[in-house]
Amino acid sequence: QSVLTQPPSASGTPGQRVTISCSGSTSNVGNNYVYWYQQLPGTAPKLLIYRNDQRPSGVPDRVSGSKSGTSASLAISGLRSDDEGDYYCAAWDDSLSDVFFGGGTKVTVL
Amino acid sequence: QLQLQESGPGLVKPSETLSLTCTVSGGSVSDSYYWGWIRQPPGKGLEWIGSLYFTGSTYYTPSLRSRVSISVDTSKNQFSLKLRSVTAADTAVYFCARHVGVGAHQPFDIWGQGTMVTVAS
Repeated sequence: QSVLTQPPSASGTPGQRVTISCSGSTSNVGNNYVYWYQQLPGTAPKLLIYRNDQRPSGVPDRVSGSKSGTSASLAISGLRSDDEGDYYCAAWDDSLSDVFFGGGTKVTVL
Repeated sequence: QLQLQESGPGLVKPSETLSLTCTVSGGSVSDSYYWGWIRQPPGKGLEWIGSLYFTGSTYYTPSLRSRVSISVDTSKNQFSLKLRSVTAADTAVYFCARHVGVGAHQPFDIWGQGTMVTVAS
């Protein structure tokens, strides 16, 4: 069981908005930045969100991140077929000096 | 642009040492970034293994700390992973990656393509 908890799956039709949650604790999500990665089938992960809500260059603004307390969320609006893949949250943990990834959420476009 | 490429044996026997190298091109391993290793067992999620700075400063995940070492060779522009006493549970795709800046708490912005390592006799 992962230290950061994500739902195993999420889905939506093209054009819809999907939201993925990431729940942690004070020592990780609560006190540190949350990052989000997208992993398309057969590829390496790609950084989608850093510092809770910042998008790297090239990530469209239909992707957004937020954090409140010990929980964070990733939202993808205007869902497209090429958004299908696995999404992971991640955060540093102060107590354990460890980097934790969530268990991952598989996004399916119906 | 910066690229990372993992290399090493795809098959390792149980109880032996897994050794992988990450070659950095389009940049220098001595730049002001931390460099790390992450693995992903088949069909499972991501697990951070550890990270280092070119000065030799390292961070390891506590669960693997007794078996893992990460080192850097600035003359070859490479950094390496060694994982001792492997078992089938160490079978995974191993990725090398660059942290955004200085510190293992920073996210990974550039990743290698990954290399599959199977532990079997």
